Amino acid sequence: NAGVTQTPKFQVLKTGQSMTLQCAQDMNHNSMYWYRQDPGMGLRLIYYSASEGTTDKGEVPNGYNVSRLNKREFSLRLESAAPSQTSVYFCASSVEPGLAGDEQYFGPGTRLTVT
Amino acid sequence: AQSVTQLDSQVPVFEEAPVELRCNYSSSVSVYLFWYVQYPNQGLQLLLKYLSGSTLVKGINGFEAEFNKSQTSFHLRKPSVHISDTAEYFCAVSVLYGNKLVFGAGTILRVKS
Repeated sequence: NAGVTQTPKFQVLKTGQSMTLQCAQDMNHNSMYWYRQDPGMGLRLIYYSASEGTTDKGEVPNGYNVSRLNKREFSLRLESAAPSQTSVYFCASSVEPGLAGDEQYFGPGTRLTVT
Repeated sequence: AQSVTQLDSQVPVFEEAPVELRCNYSSSVSVYLFWYVQYPNQGLQLLLKYLSGSTLVKGINGFEAEFNKSQTSFHLRKPSVHISDTAEYFCAVSVLYGNKLVFGAGTILRVKS
């Protein structure tokens, strides 16, 4: 049982390049989330998917797109990377769709640098 | 909208001393409250959460937190810390519908020998 896995672990992009961050969970969870972590700002929600087939914007969605490929996988795409998107990106999952108070399980993170 | 303020960005403490990490929140509706821990180069792990009931919540690794509704606080405490407690600690809230977390900026706990 690997929990939440993310690929890649590290990535360096040039401004304007695109890339997709991959996230998968093997816990049969319904809800999945993408956060970014910046120093002094904690984690901020980019997008989330309450259940397979649905996605919704979080606090900082601009410059990102997501795809809930199936119940296990939730990808985050940067179409045209900008230096302001340099951050550590975390994927998380939780059991029940829309159940407040449900524990979120986090992946190990992807450290992205945009030059 | 909800917001979370962690009052200390860094807390240095000697091993075996007690520690308190402070968290205040603001919300116009009732919330659920969480503390997560992040060890270096790892993801976040849930320490404890308050949903309802007793205002004193016990978590893993000997941590506990007290929900104070009148002061809108949810401070984290441990009576005796270990070197292995060195990590960053995040306070978070979610409203009673949906499960979107709003995090504080984090407090780095540095335990010194």
